[in-house]
Amino acid sequence: SQTIHQWPATLVQPVGSPLSLECTVEGTSNPNLYWYRQAAGRGLQLLFYSVGIGQISSEVPQNLSASRPQDRQFILSSKKLLLSDSGFYLCAYGQGGQPQHFGDGTRLSIL
Amino acid sequence: GENVEQHPSTLSVQEGDSAVIKCTYSDSASNYFPWYKQELGKGPQLIIDIRSNVGEKKDQRIAVTLNKTAKHFSLHITETQPEDSAVYFCAAKTGANNLFFGTGTRLTVIP
Repeated sequence: SQTIHQWPATLVQPVGSPLSLECTVEGTSNPNLYWYRQAAGRGLQLLFYSVGIGQISSEVPQNLSASRPQDRQFILSSKKLLLSDSGFYLCAYGQGGQPQHFGDGTRLSIL
Repeated sequence: GENVEQHPSTLSVQEGDSAVIKCTYSDSASNYFPWYKQELGKGPQLIIDIRSNVGEKKDQRIAVTLNKTAKHFSLHITETQPEDSAVYFCAAKTGANNLFFGTGTRLTVIP
């Protein structure tokens, strides 16, 4: 069966510190992978998507970057976190051009 | 770009009653309209979707309708149960790899 793992579930980081969130997918090959951010009371905003290893598309300019070192691994990073980076980050995967399955998210708080 | 509006933001219904959530979209090129259910502390889960060549789709107690002319689509839940309580998101797909999400509806089913 297909599953998606995302960790950590919660994270508290100081301003200016680096970030690394990891997402892995099982049970599927060559999926499209996505990173979304969900702000309180708002919908999901697409940050990055990837159609293959090393292929990253960015949807919004920001302080974050993404990488896909393996087919089923997607990493969200930052060199220096800002207060505005606080939020709920969701990884997702799908076949056929839209996200179908989401992870349980990482709640990131910047102090 | 696409703009998706969702109403109402909160909805309370008695157990057994029906619930209706409505969304409008702006880009007439949008061709895929999924609905997601998000339970507390979890990622969104796809519950039903509809493509632009279909006017209505039903899956047990859940149905979605699409009016392409008016550019709106709706989620209908009949015979609501307490476990239907969650936040529901609509979305519209335009372009290759992006979904534009509504801002969510918090549904509460009162036993």
